[in-house]
Amino acid sequence: AQKITQTQPGMFVQEKEAVTLDCTYDTSDQSYGLFWYKQPSSGEMIFLIYQGSYDEQNATEGRYSLNFQKARKSANLVISASQLGDSAMYFCAMREISGNSGYSTLTFGKGTMLLVSP
Amino acid sequence: NAGVTQTPKFQVLKTGQSMTLQCAQDMNHNSMYWYRQDPGMGLRLIYYSASEGTTDKGEVPNGYNVSRLNKREFSLRLESAAPSQTSVYFCASSEGRHSPLHFGNGTRLTVT
Repeated sequence: AQKITQTQPGMFVQEKEAVTLDCTYDTSDQSYGLFWYKQPSSGEMIFLIYQGSYDEQNATEGRYSLNFQKARKSANLVISASQLGDSAMYFCAMREISGNSGYSTLTFGKGTMLLVSP
Repeated sequence: NAGVTQTPKFQVLKTGQSMTLQCAQDMNHNSMYWYRQDPGMGLRLIYYSASEGTTDKGEVPNGYNVSRLNKREFSLRLESAAPSQTSVYFCASSEGRHSPLHFGNGTRLTVT
């Protein structure tokens, strides 16, 4: 079973509008973290926002916010006031801690391509 | 302020050839990772190194070996390249459990 599911292969939004990119996750761990990355056409991976499983408030970073619903196991990314430069692939990822070792790895979803039109 | 540096940026190999992808980070991070990215598959973990001297397999380790040479460097080796290893390879590092991964710019590898 997939640990990270992004159900929207592609999304379209008009400039200046808000858009929500969906992400659901599956874990039995109590301690985990959720990340969103942006990958523009140039190919680099850009970290956007992080939400810890014990964080009580939704994370925000500028125009990015994370709508974290723990009971539903969802961590949707909300981009407010979309800009043309937001056109990119967006990846949701989950970090799980492995036992007492403290080692952890990041598991990625398959991504959502966002296109912002003028 | 280089961050994570990967070399080379592009590489074309023939089936059966070998090569090593180099990765170095200057952020004094303990953990380093190798991912591959294929269309429609997201990023999949090949190997990781939680700290200097340790390496562990990820989701897709077959056909690869790694070496954590020191705290800065983590290399990925393809001993006998196959067309299925055509991909974009990303190296990443992180500071700790709750820290984001910092990625290099990737290596685009084509195996013919």
